[in-house]
Amino acid sequence: RKEVEQDPGPFNVPEGATVAFNCTYSNSASQSFFWYRQDCRKEPKLLMSVYSSGNEDGRFTAQLNRASQYISLLIRDSKLSDSATYLCVVATGTASKLTFGTGTRLQVTL
Amino acid sequence: DGGITQSPKYLFRKEGQNVTLSCEQNLNHDAMYWYRQDPGQGLRLIYYSQIVNDFQKGDIAEGYSVSREKKESFPLTVTSAQKNPTAFYLCASRQDRGPNQPQHFGDGTRLSIL
Repeated sequence: RKEVEQDPGPFNVPEGATVAFNCTYSNSASQSFFWYRQDCRKEPKLLMSVYSSGNEDGRFTAQLNRASQYISLLIRDSKLSDSATYLCVVATGTASKLTFGTGTRLQVTL
Repeated sequence: DGGITQSPKYLFRKEGQNVTLSCEQNLNHDAMYWYRQDPGQGLRLIYYSQIVNDFQKGDIAEGYSVSREKKESFPLTVTSAQKNPTAFYLCASRQDRGPNQPQHFGDGTRLSIL
């Protein structure tokens, strides 16, 4: 079983749609959780951290369920510029070693 | 302008050759990391360093070496022992103030075999 699992997609959605991604992780000792965005042939960029109480940043909402060991990302009112690969990332240990999911590809269309 | 600088952007390696990828940060971050990304795969950790003059192997350290002589610099050498070096290499850094601090990435080096 992979440490971090994501549906690779692609998710093809029209502009304005709401789309949700889920991610599961296997290490119950994981401490921190993040969503990164990666554009084609570019470096990953931090989208948002994920907190136990859930958190929102504009059109983006992240949720963490420690009991079930999954993380979610909700994007409302999708824009063309949201088209990218979204990486679920889990940090473990004192060195904050990151384990990456393989990413979920989102394509927003007109 | 604060950030993480990787160079070169593209690098070609001949058989049997060692090559060194540069990573410099001026963010005063304590920890630095090297990852490798292959097409369709997630990032995999090669080496990391939490403090100057100390570093640890990640999940795929074989065929690679690093040094951390200065806080701002963490070069990665891809040795001839790495038989499949073609990949996208990403350097990251992080302020070590607890587990909730995220890592920030440089814009990567693409390495190919000639």
